[in-house]
Amino acid sequence: QSALTQPASVSGSPGQSITISCTGTSSDVGGYNFVSWYQQHPGKAPKVMIYDVSYRPSGVSNRFSGSKSGNTASLTISGLQAEDEADYYCSSYTSTSAPGVFGTGTKVTVL
Amino acid sequence: EVQLLESGGGLVQPGGSLRLSCAASAFTFSSYAMSWVRQAPGKGLECVSGISGSGGSTYYADSVKGRFTVSRDNSRNTVFLQMNSLRAEDTAVYYCAKDRTFSPRGPDYWGQGTLVTVSS
Repeated sequence: QSALTQPASVSGSPGQSITISCTGTSSDVGGYNFVSWYQQHPGKAPKVMIYDVSYRPSGVSNRFSGSKSGNTASLTISGLQAEDEADYYCSSYTSTSAPGVFGTGTKVTVL
Repeated sequence: EVQLLESGGGLVQPGGSLRLSCAASAFTFSSYAMSWVRQAPGKGLECVSGISGSGGSTYYADSVKGRFTVSRDNSRNTVFLQMNSLRAEDTAVYYCAKDRTFSPRGPDYWGQGTLVTVSS
């Protein structure tokens, strides 16, 4: 049950767009459309930003979008804002005995 | 509004046991899977256990299999995590999380977490 692979850090200037990748295998990301993305600010609980690859929960800004190709899922944040600075984690359903698998996490910095 | 309130964390010696509880409110508890996700200090998220809405299916990460047991009481809207044979590497904030469906597909609501520290 290896963690999904994410870049350790991604940065961008206000107003720019950034994309975070999440690479797994055919047993998780590539095999199912159950990929979620979470935002976590320091000392806070995670908050779901995207579920089922590309769906946004009510109340989440449409600046956040998700997609998937093969074994890699992606989260794009457009019109980057200071409040977007946080850690981001992907997660996926997995065919193993685990209830799910998370990515290694990506720290987003707004320059 | 969905609320998840964890309790039961604390300091325990290596080899000891703890039982975490998570009281849920404002949704039909038995209709949703529940998960326990932990985060070691300064580290990422790890999904350690999950349970289906009926309690008939349970899931464990390899790192806790045989030591942790998840259960739920749908009459009390509460999910539990019994942790035995605790190790230093189990030190983490443990989050209770509600799933979007009857079976684990990814959490949509999280509690604020309870800290478990395993140390002598």
